[in-house]
Amino acid sequence: EPEVTQTPSHQVTQMGQEVILRCVPISNHLYFYWYRQILGQKVEFLVSFYNNEISEKSEIFDDQFSVERPDGSNFTLKIRSTKLEDSAMYFCASSEQESKNIQYFGAGTRLSVL
Amino acid sequence: AQSVTQLDSHVSVSEGTPVLLRCNYSSSYSPSLFWYVQHPNKGLQLLLKYTSAATLVKGINGFEAEFKKSETSFHLTKPSAHMSDAAEYFCVVSDNSGGYQKVTFGTGTKLQVIP
Repeated sequence: EPEVTQTPSHQVTQMGQEVILRCVPISNHLYFYWYRQILGQKVEFLVSFYNNEISEKSEIFDDQFSVERPDGSNFTLKIRSTKLEDSAMYFCASSEQESKNIQYFGAGTRLSVL
Repeated sequence: AQSVTQLDSHVSVSEGTPVLLRCNYSSSYSPSLFWYVQHPNKGLQLLLKYTSAATLVKGINGFEAEFKKSETSFHLTKPSAHMSDAAEYFCVVSDNSGGYQKVTFGTGTKLQVIP
């Protein structure tokens, strides 16, 4: 069964550094999402992306965050200047045109900001 | 408005006994409902999903859930717990609120299986 893949599985970075988290959505999907889960807390919506633009974003998704679909297969989340509180598990998801309600999640990238 | 409530933050069962993880939801639109499992330091794995077809949904690893619209519930069950079921379980509701998709996760239920 097709799946969403995320790389790396674990990213360690220094505070203030830029990080890029990568996701390869399922190939025929058109809607893409990022979520995060701070340790011990619930999964929170960050942003949704469709037709090469952001369709919705949460309060968490401030100017430090950006998303991009650079090459038609990858979907990336960039954090420009990481803070300690950005440490979390970041999940990518995708869904297809006809079944937008069904999002398929990747296994996540654990970001540790030191 | 969309919300999901997982009534128990922790559930403890003995190996071989039934599992019941409770979930109630609210949605102004026809929702899809999901259960995900997350093992320690692992990502989210889809257990099962309800998308307006059969109300009794069977998933992987012997889990199933029943969509009860009158009770706005989507409880997860398994007849006999296995040690490998110890994990955190998330109930998720998804609908097309206001023309775009909205997803809300529950706060999770940690399942402990006692040998």
